[in-house]
Amino acid sequence: DTAVSQTPKYLVTQMGNDKSIKCEQNLGHDTMYWYKQDSKKFLKIMFSYNNKELIINETVPNRFSPKSPDKAHLNLHINSLELGDSAVYFCASSQDGTMVGAQYFGPGTRLLVL
Amino acid sequence: RKEVEQDPGPFNVPEGATVAFNCTYSNSASQSFFWYRQDCRKEPKLLMSVYSSGNEDGRFTAQLNRASQYISLLIRDSKLSDSATYLCVGNNAGNMLTFGGGTRLMVKP
Repeated sequence: DTAVSQTPKYLVTQMGNDKSIKCEQNLGHDTMYWYKQDSKKFLKIMFSYNNKELIINETVPNRFSPKSPDKAHLNLHINSLELGDSAVYFCASSQDGTMVGAQYFGPGTRLLVL
Repeated sequence: RKEVEQDPGPFNVPEGATVAFNCTYSNSASQSFFWYRQDCRKEPKLLMSVYSSGNEDGRFTAQLNRASQYISLLIRDSKLSDSATYLCVGNNAGNMLTFGGGTRLMVKP
């Protein structure tokens, strides 16, 4: 009965590789998000999708491409991975894009680029 | 200057103590505020919303002072299980959450 799930939980890969992280929510929420939490623990929003439509795209390299096949899924694909991409990536969802305070986060994907 | 600033701590307090955290924000357009809790190696979880009139949830009291642009969280009768990082969060007009860096609390027996 997991609300927001992400796979994989851990990802160790070499520089230059391409990888994907998957996210699914079973809460019936309309809006989903991707956040990055770096080694200093700052949590920053990367993308936000409402009903499969991109509504927020922060200053993120275009090597990062989100894809939302339906409103329950928001996947993150990363091309040409760099050392600085090492971080914890959290997926989240909320009921309504205008009531974003109550966001539910997935368990995180710990990415390590070697 | 960061949009939401918090003292990173750690705050080391004995069980039963009362502890308060403050947070300041720079974007006066921010409309709503929240406290999230994040345990070590876990995801953030919403603790409570923050209202101008102040709000209380059990041992937790949150307050917002718009004139001074700060938010506070008071925890009474601290429990060991309160040990975590507390994230101050603002929601600006763009419907985007901005997180502070977090304040680490360690409650000791």
